[in-house]
Amino acid sequence: DAGITQSPRHKVTETGTPVTLRCHQTENHRYMYWYRQDPGHGLRLIHYSYGVKDTDKGEVSDGYSVSRSKTEDFLLTLESATSSQTSVYFCAISESNAAGNQPQHFGDGTRLSIL
Amino acid sequence: GENVEQHPSTLSVQEGDSAVIKCTYSDSASNYFPWYKQELGKRPQLIIDIRSNVGEKKDQRIAVTLNKTAKHFSLHITETQPEDSAVYFCAANVGGGADGLTFGKGTHLIIQP
Repeated sequence: DAGITQSPRHKVTETGTPVTLRCHQTENHRYMYWYRQDPGHGLRLIHYSYGVKDTDKGEVSDGYSVSRSKTEDFLLTLESATSSQTSVYFCAISESNAAGNQPQHFGDGTRLSIL
Repeated sequence: GENVEQHPSTLSVQEGDSAVIKCTYSDSASNYFPWYKQELGKRPQLIIDIRSNVGEKKDQRIAVTLNKTAKHFSLHITETQPEDSAVYFCAANVGGGADGLTFGKGTHLIIQP
């Protein structure tokens, strides 16, 4: 298994509260990604990072922010959680570089419920 | 942006038969096409991938074909076994780079004993 740890694995919180999810890797890969998975939608890209302090938006970035202060950690923050953000969140890493794509490997996911 | 369509949404086959899942993509810049298998409650796991410079790739009972002209790619599983039951996702890379994947909505493969 790729060295990816997501925390927490499960979280229940209330609408309007801030939430931060953490993805930690031990592979020293440059690229890290956050996806959400919802029934009927598959996986959708929220944000990604191509290096320390280098991040960009994905398909469904509204309501989310990210930070990457160290190669090994990629944080996803919901500033004010809404019920529509109830989902399973997956982090992925890749050793891709500017020369081309390498496979993405996923963490075990965080199940987030917003009541 | 990239759009990936996947069919069928559910596929039921007899054990030992073959299964085929098809995907189409819209962005001609896409050049990397992975397939993931996801069991209930688990993370997606990469099972095979193909790059646009080849038309076919095989790994034991699993093969993937790519038609760049028609913008479609397919997953073929032969001699299906009960442990092949899962949800399968196809994907294509956004803009031909490493800026994330666009996924199909998944195919629930059911292997009937």
